Amino acid sequence: RKEVEQDPGPFNVPEGATVAFNCTYSNSASQSFFWYRQDCRKEPKLLMSVYSSGNEDGRFTAQLNRASQYISLLIRDSKLSDSATYLCVTGNFNKFYFGSGTKLNVKP
Amino acid sequence: SAVISQKPSRDICQRGTSLTIQCQVDSQVTMMFWYRQQPGQSLTLIATANQGSEATYESGFVIDKFPISRPNLTFSTLTVSNMSPEDSSIYLCSGGPSGYEQYFGPGTRLTVT
Repeated sequence: RKEVEQDPGPFNVPEGATVAFNCTYSNSASQSFFWYRQDCRKEPKLLMSVYSSGNEDGRFTAQLNRASQYISLLIRDSKLSDSATYLCVTGNFNKFYFGSGTKLNVKP
Repeated sequence: SAVISQKPSRDICQRGTSLTIQCQVDSQVTMMFWYRQQPGQSLTLIATANQGSEATYESGFVIDKFPISRPNLTFSTLTVSNMSPEDSSIYLCSGGPSGYEQYFGPGTRLTVT
């Protein structure tokens, strides 16, 4: 079983839409959680860390449910520039596990 | 955050040769990692580069094939040895403070002919 599982998508949404990605992780001892964004042929870039209390950064909201071992990312008012692959990442004792990514296409 | 650079950005190599990839961080970081990413796939961890000791390799990766050095807290190298076409991939290094977010270099795109 993979450490981190994501729906690969693609999610095709119109500009202005709200879209949500989900991710589950298998290791209950995971201590840190992140969302990364990866554009085509580029390196992953940190989008945001995810905290138990949930956190928001502009149009992006991340939630963590430790009991269900579930992480989510909500993007409001999607922009064309949000088109990318979103990677769910967990960390445990200095080791990081990457999901396979969810591809988002925002269309005009 | 940390800014990470990698050299070379890309290379085309003949099978049987070796390539060393350099990774430089603009600040001291506790953890450095090396990943491989095939087109359209997610990242696969090759090893954790440990400063002052041998790297910790993941299942399927061995030191003879992927020797790693980490002489200090800002620099690491990965060598891809005795290359075959199956080694064609993007190789990424990352670094960050222990247990917290990590930052990636731009990657080295390797093609083995």
